[in-house]
Amino acid sequence: SQELEQSPQSLIVQEGKNLTINCTSSKTLYGLYWYKQKYGEGLIFLMMLQKGGEEKSHEKITAKLDEKKQQSSLHITASQPSHAGIYLCGARTTGYSSASKIIFGSGTRLSIRP
Amino acid sequence: SQTIHQWPATLVQPVGSPLSLECTVEGTSNPNLYWYRQAAGRGLQLLFYSVGIGQISSEVPQNLSASRPQDRQFILSSKKLLLSDSGFYLCAWRLAGNEQFFGPGTRLTVL
Repeated sequence: SQELEQSPQSLIVQEGKNLTINCTSSKTLYGLYWYKQKYGEGLIFLMMLQKGGEEKSHEKITAKLDEKKQQSSLHITASQPSHAGIYLCGARTTGYSSASKIIFGSGTRLSIRP
Repeated sequence: SQTIHQWPATLVQPVGSPLSLECTVEGTSNPNLYWYRQAAGRGLQLLFYSVGIGQISSEVPQNLSASRPQDRQFILSSKKLLLSDSGFYLCAWRLAGNEQFFGPGTRLTVL
């Protein structure tokens, strides 16, 4: 079965610094989703990437998909306390999107040090 | 706009008791619906998904079952809860090829 590995598992960065979280699949990525979760709450959708080489940005967060390497990265520029939380990547398991499922990595816990 | 609700928000149940968690979606039609469980310190595990009324696919053998009695209603059930059923249960919806959105979750503690 397809597995997603996220690295690092946890991360503490100084406020204002940049950071990168990686997500690697053991199989082909048909779609890659990034979410943010605060403890005890639901997941907030950040971005979806579908095409190899695709890159999307929202405010200070940029996500890239390298389909050849089966890897995606999430980059945060000039981190702020509001960026703290758990970041999860999810991937669609097949290319037939109407019936496909999304599986998730184990998450990266991000803490911002003031 | 679309919204997704989960009920209840928190639940404490004794071992061996039944369970019923409800998820409802508003503002969309014929969505795919999903149940995930998040155990403490772990990622999301897909439990069930449904592409239509009465259609349920189970991902892992377990003590739980799911039903979809209406287009926008998804129910997670158990006849007898186990300690290992404790966790954070998340419902999600998605239209084909689009983003997947999650509900606020239900925190279940089995004692």
